[in-house]
Amino acid sequence: KAGVTQTPRYLIKTRGQQVTLSCSPISGHRSVSWYQQTPGQGLQFLFEYFSETQRNKGNFPGRFSGRQFSNSRSEMNVSTLELGDSALYLCASRASIKQFFGPGTRLTVL
Amino acid sequence: GDSVTQMEGPVTLSEEAFLTINCTYTATGYPSLFWYVQYPGEGLQLLLKATKADDKGSNKGFEATYRKETTSFHLEKGSVQVSDSAVYFCALSSNSGGSNYKLTFGKGTLLTVNP
Repeated sequence: KAGVTQTPRYLIKTRGQQVTLSCSPISGHRSVSWYQQTPGQGLQFLFEYFSETQRNKGNFPGRFSGRQFSNSRSEMNVSTLELGDSALYLCASRASIKQFFGPGTRLTVL
Repeated sequence: GDSVTQMEGPVTLSEEAFLTINCTYTATGYPSLFWYVQYPGEGLQLLLKATKADDKGSNKGFEATYRKETTSFHLEKGSVQVSDSAVYFCALSSNSGGSNYKLTFGKGTLLTVNP
């Protein structure tokens, strides 16, 4: 089975712009979660989607949003980018308690 | 709320040395416990897991035992290799896999193994 894929792998944006990241889960996995990884805060949970519905949300501002499509692919959107949004954004899919992670999208905000 | 505390790194060892990375947790109920590994420039890979007290997870020579009495899940390997150099994350999930599922991670421990 192919693993979790994320596109793009690298992204450079400027403050105030918005960005959309994409994630394709492992075939058959209906749950997709997003995490932010930074040197200062470590790995933090953003949200989880299951069958196109957001089931759980972390403690992030409303600028961070997401959605899931009927084929389980997910997108994450960040509006009005700030310098502090520079991070590695990881997507993970699961069918049970084991989450499988993609390689991440490295977002740099200038 | 849930939290995970890992020993701070970096940890530097010689090849074939014994490895221990300490991990303790605070959680409601009976969490599932995990160790993930992250190689440079990559995402996280699940290394091992345990879902109930006294369970031992193992993979690739790594082991960790779920100790409920000490709320710990320490990672061990008897003989490390240069290829084990990576960042190791301890994590927990208080949910058994249904809704409201999320992983809570420790800060990570950088391991460097020298030949």
